Amino acid sequence: DSGVTQTPKHLITATGQRVTLRCSPRSGDLSVYWYQQSLDQGLQFLIQYYNGEERAKGNILERFSAQQFPDLHSELNLSSLELGDSALYFCASSPQGAGYGYTFGSGTRLTVV
Amino acid sequence: AQSVTQPDIHITVSEGASLELRCNYSYGATPYLFWYVQSPGQGLQLLLKYFSGDTLVQGIKGFEAEFKRSQSSFNLRKPSVHWSDAAEYFCAVGGSQGNLIFGKGTKLSVKP
Repeated sequence: DSGVTQTPKHLITATGQRVTLRCSPRSGDLSVYWYQQSLDQGLQFLIQYYNGEERAKGNILERFSAQQFPDLHSELNLSSLELGDSALYFCASSPQGAGYGYTFGSGTRLTVV
Repeated sequence: AQSVTQPDIHITVSEGASLELRCNYSYGATPYLFWYVQSPGQGLQLLLKYFSGDTLVQGIKGFEAEFKRSQSSFNLRKPSVHWSDAAEYFCAVGGSQGNLIFGKGTKLSVKP
């Protein structure tokens, strides 16, 4: 157990739908990062939050959004889902910046049918 | 822009043989460098990291990596591979946005 909790582990949904992925960071970590992992694109950085504030944005689509709550858990919202959004979505946390290295959760596997 | 290249998509080694996985990075300043391992269906686990100082870094599970600035490389090594080392290995560099930039990964298979 890495200390980073992601739910759900698996999600199957239809095109056009909206889903929410949840992440609880390791105790004491203030930064949360979201990544998408697919066979063709590899690990793509989506977005980072630090202590409730958006800190950095990567290749995140406009249909996707995220937030970090006062208790530091984070949610990634994916809407108007397309077949190409099927992927593994990872959350990672770190004490501050990426220089400390990340601790990853076990991921949410999203399948869009 | 920062980037990471892992030239080998798939490597097969015999159990007990030595292993070297290659990683080249592109970064203007002294980089933060990392190696992660991912077993099937699992998240990524940090093997080791380099920030500064000694260029030979020891990690968990008997792995080590050497930072070579002149070659922009951070290769991962293990003297004797075990069957349980079969997994996918990712090299990463700390990006200017404060995130990590990952290579495409090298899948390691271990022959008995």
